[in-house]
Amino acid sequence: AQSVSQHNHHVILSEAASLELGCNYSYGGTVNLFWYVQYPGQHLQLLLKYFSGDPLVKGIKGFEAEFIKSKFSFNLRKPSVQWSDTAEYFCAGGDSGNTGKLIFGQGTTLQVKP
Amino acid sequence: NAGVMQNPRHLVRRRGQEARLRCSPMKGHSHVYWYRQLPEEGLKFMVYLQKENIIDESGMPKERFSAEFPKEGPSILRIQQVVRGDSAAYFCASSLRGEQFFGPGTRLTVL
Repeated sequence: AQSVSQHNHHVILSEAASLELGCNYSYGGTVNLFWYVQYPGQHLQLLLKYFSGDPLVKGIKGFEAEFIKSKFSFNLRKPSVQWSDTAEYFCAGGDSGNTGKLIFGQGTTLQVKP
Repeated sequence: NAGVMQNPRHLVRRRGQEARLRCSPMKGHSHVYWYRQLPEEGLKFMVYLQKENIIDESGMPKERFSAEFPKEGPSILRIQQVVRGDSAAYFCASSLRGEQFFGPGTRLTVL
């Protein structure tokens, strides 16, 4: 069965610390991968996406993610977090077939202390 | 270009009442997805619609839930005879070329 899992449910960091949020997927075929962010009181926004090509994907606000096929992983990274990065982060996978529906991980709440 | 619109943002219903949630996709988008987020969980796919067609409803509960996306007007997610377990945030997304854009969600509370 298709699934996406996020290892960390709650992460607390100080400003300027480096961030890595884990995401693993299980899919039968070709998969598209996404990271979304939900700031408090706001809707989900796309941070970055991977469809094919260069496995290192750069997104908005200094975020990047690396697709490692052998590990079935798509971890999100940022070298230096800011207080404004406090939010909930969702990894999602979508099949590249007919429907494109997304399967989301459980989400990771990131709290950045000033 | 306005984003995906959902209304109402908050909806309170008593057990047994009906809930209607509306979603207006981004201009030019003809694909709509509905997702549900239960407390402490990620978003779960419910249904995928194109204009006047349900393409994939594999995530919809078998009873009480229905969705439509008419030729004119917003997509509607309808929940009949709501129960406390229906309390959740309901998000819709519209899609163009594989990327989904999400609305702000409707938070349904069933008393």
